[in-house]
Amino acid sequence: QKEVEQDPGPLSVPEGAIVSLNCTYSNSAFQYFMWYRQYSRKGPELLMYTYSSGNKEDGRFTAQVDKSSKYISLFIRDSQPSDSATYLCAAFVGFQKLVFGTGTRLLVSP
Amino acid sequence: EAQVTQNPRYLITVTGKKLTVTCSQNMNHEYMSWYRQDPGLGLRQIYYSMNVEVTDKGDVPEGYKVSRKEKRNFPLILESPSPNQTSLYFCASFSGRALSFYNEQFFGPGTRLTVL
Repeated sequence: QKEVEQDPGPLSVPEGAIVSLNCTYSNSAFQYFMWYRQYSRKGPELLMYTYSSGNKEDGRFTAQVDKSSKYISLFIRDSQPSDSATYLCAAFVGFQKLVFGTGTRLLVSP
Repeated sequence: EAQVTQNPRYLITVTGKKLTVTCSQNMNHEYMSWYRQDPGLGLRQIYYSMNVEVTDKGDVPEGYKVSRKEKRNFPLILESPSPNQTSLYFCASFSGRALSFYNEQFFGPGTRLTVL
């Protein structure tokens, strides 16, 4: 079993929709959780990170962690075609191992 | 401009021919790491380094070596490449300062390696 699981998609939505991207993890030692966006033929770029449980909001993006259920979510409001990319969740233990999900491909159509 | 550079960007080689992929960052970051990305498997950590002369294995270190003699450089060495090392490789650099570690992260543009 992978330590971080993520549905590969693709997830297709119309412009303006609310997008929900989700991951589950198995290692209780994970403390920090990140979301990255990766455009085709590019390296990942960090979108947001959260520590432990709770919500964090940044513009149209909200990251949510529920440690009791080991569930990580990213919500995108008012989705735009420019949001079309692969979204990667990741979990970190201290300053050491960073474990990624496989990524979910998101397609936002005009 | 803060950036992580990798060279070469594309490489086709043959089994057994030693190669090095260079990675350099200009942000004075302590933490650097190498990942490989494969379809269906996502990004997997190969090696990481928390500072000069401090390196440790990630999830898939077999067949790879690294060194960290200077803070800015973290080369990935394949002593005897094999076809199963055909992949897309990313180098990353993270700030080592606790307050900015999790929001100051940069990935390189990637190196696509094919081993025949």
